[in-house]
Amino acid sequence: AQKVTQAQTEISVVEKEDVTLDCVYETRDTTYYLFWYKQPPSGELVFLIRRNSFDEQNEISGRYSWNFQKSTSSFNFTITASQVVDSAVYFCALSGTGGGNKLTFGTGTQLKVEL
Amino acid sequence: ETGVTQTPRHLVMGMTNKKSLKCEQHLGHNAMYWYKQSAKKPLELMFVYSLEERVENNSVPSRFSPECPNSSHLFLHLHTLQPEDSALYLCASSQYGYDSSVDSGANVLTFGAGSRLTVL
Repeated sequence: AQKVTQAQTEISVVEKEDVTLDCVYETRDTTYYLFWYKQPPSGELVFLIRRNSFDEQNEISGRYSWNFQKSTSSFNFTITASQVVDSAVYFCALSGTGGGNKLTFGTGTQLKVEL
Repeated sequence: ETGVTQTPRHLVMGMTNKKSLKCEQHLGHNAMYWYKQSAKKPLELMFVYSLEERVENNSVPSRFSPECPNSSHLFLHLHTLQPEDSALYLCASSQYGYDSSVDSGANVLTFGAGSRLTVL
């Protein structure tokens, strides 16, 4: 069975602070995909990143960066110099490969960025 | 319009009512999904339609009835709901369906803004 744990229920930071959202996963698949989605107050989840289990290179996209460590089954997400517009719920998700694979979501981390 | 559109955005219904949620995608995607989002819980996958065929029914009570008349539209028919069914219902679509020849695990989902359902 697959499982995604986001232990941080809610994080509050002041604008311009860096913040890291933790994600730990469990899977028996040797090949799998990891995702991060953002859910702003408007409701729709927005795709941020997909990472294949064979690609352990860290990725940076603007103020966003992701640290994938297979040894600790973690796929953490860091926002540098946070802004109020980053306030949202962030979901980490996991899926296996092949046909018919379901996406398993974590419970989400509510990030509040204040002025 | 672009993306995935859900209507209504908010719905309040009694336990004896019958209502429907509608989802429309303008992306040319081949698969559509219904998810339930309750507070403090992971998103729960309810149904998946791939090329208009239902390929996943995640032990959802029969008071929820999906319908996919074509690849662009998805409905969730609701009847005799319970208060615990109150939640945000999210529709999503993906380019690839649950075809075993395609690595569906890599599917990126595009979500609608959801329909907030309150059952009194």
